[in-house]
Amino acid sequence: DTGVSQDPRHKITKRGQNVTFRCDPISEHNRLYWYRQTLGQGPEFLTYFQNEAQLEKSRLLSDRFSAERPKGSFSTLEIQRTEQGDSAMYLCALQAAAQTSGDQETQYFGPGTRLLVL
Amino acid sequence: DAKTTQPPSMDCAEGRAANLPCNHSTISGNEYVYWYRQIHSQGPQYIIHGLKNNETNEMASLIITEDRKSSTLILPHATLRDTAVYYCIVMPEGQGFSFIFGKGTRLLVKP
Repeated sequence: DTGVSQDPRHKITKRGQNVTFRCDPISEHNRLYWYRQTLGQGPEFLTYFQNEAQLEKSRLLSDRFSAERPKGSFSTLEIQRTEQGDSAMYLCALQAAAQTSGDQETQYFGPGTRLLVL
Repeated sequence: DAKTTQPPSMDCAEGRAANLPCNHSTISGNEYVYWYRQIHSQGPQYIIHGLKNNETNEMASLIITEDRKSSTLILPHATLRDTAVYYCIVMPEGQGFSFIFGKGTRLLVKP
């Protein structure tokens, strides 16, 4: 158990529809990341939050994508007007603040949401 | 682009040690080496990380060369459940850095 849940686990939608994914940390983590993974590739960074502030966005995050973390706990990733190229696994990862000086903060990934756009 | 190079695939016999190499010749002094694995259709699972010294935990051992330009992940007694894609990643110290994944090594543990 990584302390991260994602919902839904699978989503099938038609091209042009909007979809929303949710990431729920089980415990407090100040940084939350979204990644996308297409078939045969490693995960690619999309965006990350420190508490409720969205601090960085990848060029992969087109204007059809929007992410929020309203209270600094759970996060949502919405894709508007989905395209077939959006078909991928969407992963959420959490990173806690280091407890000791010099310790590196590991990222822990959720199980992902697999999106298929028809 | 990923700063690491890994073989695309490896085989290992069940019960034997699996040694997965990773080259990171451009690693900086403050960059850690991380290893994750991803079993089919699941999210990446953290295995181990290190800076300079060799590290061991209940899952694996990490051997980092003295010049830090390469490392090896060792699974001492591979089981069929260790079949997965293994990713080696370098990451600067501190917070707020996203992982840059390569394609990893697909390890197949055979009975």
